[in-house]
Amino acid sequence: AQTVTQSQPEMSVQEAETVTLSCTYDTSESDYYLFWYKQPPSRQMILVIRQEAYKQQNATENRFSVNFQKAAKSFSLKISDSQLGDAAMYFCALLGGTSYGKLTFGQGTILTVHP
Amino acid sequence: GAGVSQTPSNKVTEKGKYVELRCDPISGHTALYWYRQSLGQGPEFLIYFQGTGAADDSGLPNDRFFAVRPEGSVSTLKIQRTERGDSAVYLCASSLNSGSTEAFFGQGTRLTVV
Repeated sequence: AQTVTQSQPEMSVQEAETVTLSCTYDTSESDYYLFWYKQPPSRQMILVIRQEAYKQQNATENRFSVNFQKAAKSFSLKISDSQLGDAAMYFCALLGGTSYGKLTFGQGTILTVHP
Repeated sequence: GAGVSQTPSNKVTEKGKYVELRCDPISGHTALYWYRQSLGQGPEFLIYFQGTGAADDSGLPNDRFFAVRPEGSVSTLKIQRTERGDSAVYLCASSLNSGSTEAFFGQGTRLTVV
């Protein structure tokens, strides 16, 4: 079984500051992928960033970067220069190599951005 | 279409009634997934289609839930004898095929059972 845990129900950050969202996971698969999704009030899940487990280099997408610690099974998301539009629910998700697209999600972290 | 489309956006139904939720995936995507997201929680897997067949329905909570995808495109999630505990957002996602690592989500249907 795969599990994803997000221990921060809520986080807040000042505009232009940096915030880090935490995620830990567990899987028995050797090949897997990790994702951060953003869910605004519109409810649509938007892919923020993806990390292949076999890659040691941390993924980066503009202001978004991850700290992937494979041995510790930790996958945190860092948002730099936070913007008001970053406010949303953020979900960490795991895709096992044999799970044919079936994602396992964490409980989510609500991010508030203060002007 | 340009993205995954789900209808209706919101549905209110009375306890015991039957409901159908529709998902129109991205054209050409052969893999389709249904998830259920309860209030304040992350989405939970319900069922996965590859083409017309349900390849994995292990997430369906009980036999009141059923889904079809007869022509390998549009899918319908059907819930019989709805209960208040069925209230949730039902999300649909599609991907190019089952080996794809990126799934594209619709905006979900918020089902409220009163």
